[in-house]
Amino acid sequence: AQSVTQLDSQVPVFEEAPVELRCNYSSSVSVYLFWYVQYPNQGLQLLLKYLSGSTLVKGINGFEAEFNKSQTSFHLRKPSVHISDTAEYFCAVTYTGGFKTIFGAGTRLFVKA
Amino acid sequence: EAGVAQSPRYKIIEKRQSVAFWCNPISGHATLYWYQQILGQGPKLLIQFQNNGVVDDSQLPKDRFSAERLKGVDSTLKIQPAKLEDSAVYLCASSLYLTRQGVTEAFFGQGTRLTVV
Repeated sequence: AQSVTQLDSQVPVFEEAPVELRCNYSSSVSVYLFWYVQYPNQGLQLLLKYLSGSTLVKGINGFEAEFNKSQTSFHLRKPSVHISDTAEYFCAVTYTGGFKTIFGAGTRLFVKA
Repeated sequence: EAGVAQSPRYKIIEKRQSVAFWCNPISGHATLYWYQQILGQGPKLLIQFQNNGVVDDSQLPKDRFSAERLKGVDSTLKIQPAKLEDSAVYLCASSLYLTRQGVTEAFFGQGTRLTVV
């Protein structure tokens, strides 16, 4: 079965500290990978995507993610977070088998001063 | 460019009533999705259209939910009759294409928050 697992439901971190939000997926086919962010009372917006090519992808607001095919992971990282990064982050996977896009349950990043 | 438009933004209904949501995707986008997001959870795909054909509706509760995409553009999602557990945010999204040649990211609307009482 196709599934996307975000290993941490909540991640509290101090401002200017580094952060990693983890995402693993099940796969027997090729995938396309996305991270979306949802700020309070706002819609989902794309942070970054991996479609092909370099396994390290850079997105908006200083975020980056690395595609690891052998580990079936796509972890999101930022070297120094800001208060304004407080939001819910969702990992999403599009499976080429049926082109279905599945979301993880989300990780709530809470940045403390 | 204009984003994905959804209406209404909020809806409160009693259980067993019916409700409909409307979505206008970004112009030219072939793929349209409806997701259900229950509070504290990730979006769950209900139905996915490619133009006006259904690609996946495996998680759509077909005894009460229905969706159509008119002429491959606008879409409506209907619930009849509603249950308390249908309380959620219903998100519409669209993407330029989703084919064996490649995919593009989905753009999301603001969602419709449904409360069933």
